[in-house]
Amino acid sequence: QKEVEQNSGPLSVPEGAIASLNCTYSDRGSQSFFWYRQYSGKSPELIMSIYSNGDKEDGRFTAQLNKASQYVSLLIRDSQPSDSATYLCAVNTGNNRKLIWGLGTSLAVNP
Amino acid sequence: GAGVSQSPSNKVTEKGKDVELRCDPISGHTALYWYRQSLGQGLEFLIYFQGNSAPDKSGLPSDRFSAERTGGSVSTLTIQRTQQEDSAVYLCASSANAGGVTEAFFGQGTRLTVV
Repeated sequence: QKEVEQNSGPLSVPEGAIASLNCTYSDRGSQSFFWYRQYSGKSPELIMSIYSNGDKEDGRFTAQLNKASQYVSLLIRDSQPSDSATYLCAVNTGNNRKLIWGLGTSLAVNP
Repeated sequence: GAGVSQSPSNKVTEKGKDVELRCDPISGHTALYWYRQSLGQGLEFLIYFQGNSAPDKSGLPSDRFSAERTGGSVSTLTIQRTQQEDSAVYLCASSANAGGVTEAFFGQGTRLTVV
């Protein structure tokens, strides 16, 4: 059974701090990794994709991938209250390239 | 529009009735997913269409649920003899799944309420 695991949280950080979200996956053959943000009552929206080991930065967001250790993380710098949401990790795996999802980590950024 | 479109946005139905939910994927996207999400819960995978391959139906919770994708584009999720536990938001997502581009993009969802 291919799995993606996340700490459900809630993760609470003060405004301006760095929020660190982690995700592990079981399938070593996974090739593509994604972070989505979901606000309450809304659909998930893609915020980062990463395909190679190392870091990928986009504004205040940095995705980190370590295939040897089978984890992917998301760092949010200078966290804002508007970052408060559930963050979903998704992994594209298998020959049929089906996305497998974690259950999400709830993040609360406190003013 | 250029995004994934779902209809209706909201649906209230009586227990025992059948419902059809529609998803228009992004043009050219070969992959299409259906998910169900109950309040405060994660995404529950229902079914996955990828090109001309046989759909992955492993997430359908019962034989009351079925889905079709006609002409590799529009998809319809049908729930027969609806039950109160079917109440949830049903989300559709599509992906190009080509040239290394595998990100999925979501529609706004259909909120189903069974009374």
